[in-house]
Amino acid sequence: QKEVEQDPGPLSVPEGAIVSLNCTYSNSAFQYFMWYRQYSRKGPELLMYTYSSGNKEDGRFTAQVDKSSKYISLFIRDSQPSDSATYLCAMSAGTNAGKSTFGDGTTLTVKP
Amino acid sequence: DVKVTQSSRYLVKRTGEKVFLECVQDMDHENMFWYRQDPGLGLRLIYFSYDVKMKEKGDIPEGYSVSREKKERFSLILESASTNQTSMYLCASSSRTSRGRQETQYFGPGTRLLVL
Repeated sequence: QKEVEQDPGPLSVPEGAIVSLNCTYSNSAFQYFMWYRQYSRKGPELLMYTYSSGNKEDGRFTAQVDKSSKYISLFIRDSQPSDSATYLCAMSAGTNAGKSTFGDGTTLTVKP
Repeated sequence: DVKVTQSSRYLVKRTGEKVFLECVQDMDHENMFWYRQDPGLGLRLIYFSYDVKMKEKGDIPEGYSVSREKKERFSLILESASTNQTSMYLCASSSRTSRGRQETQYFGPGTRLLVL
C-alpha cells in the first residue's frame, strides 16, 4: 500500500463550480503538506503549503489538513478554465534532506 | 524567484547510449532531487542530494547515477539508456533553514526523454 493515496480522477466540472481534491496518508510522521499544480508538459509548481493541522486560504484556494484522520484536501472556489491541470499532493516529515512523498495526481478539467 | 533550469526540454537517444541530464538552481539550495514521472505511476524519486558530493538513493535508483560537484548543479546519468527509461525527468531543489524546517521543493520544466 502506498504511503500517500490521492483520488485518481479525472475530474471534469463546469466553470464556477467548487472543486474538492483529496489525499489520505498512512505515515503519522508527516507534518508538512503541499499541493502542487502541474500544467500539461510543464513541471509542478507549488500552490499551497501547510504545516500541521488546520486550514490555509489563498484567494480561491483553501488547503485543509486533518492529521487525526490522516486526510488532506484542496478546495477551489469559483473554478476557472485556467485551473485545468493536474494537482499533486505531497507530504514530508521534515527530515531526510527534505524528501517528500507525492500522490499520483488528479487531473482536473474546468469547462467554460 | 527561484529558478530551476534543465539542460534540455526534449531528448532522443538510442539504446545503449550514455545520457546526461543537467539541472541548475540559482537559489543556493542545499537539497536537490531527480524524479521521473510516468502516466499512472506518478512522481518517483530516483536520487537526491543534501550537500555537495553527497547523494542518496531514492525509490528507483537502478540504471541511474548522479553527480553533484557544485552546489547549484545536479546531474543525472543514464549509463546505458534502455527503452524503459523513456520518461519525463524532473529536477527539483529545496532549502533547509538553520532550524531544520522543511522547505518546499521547486521544480524545473522537465526533460522528455525518448529512448529508441
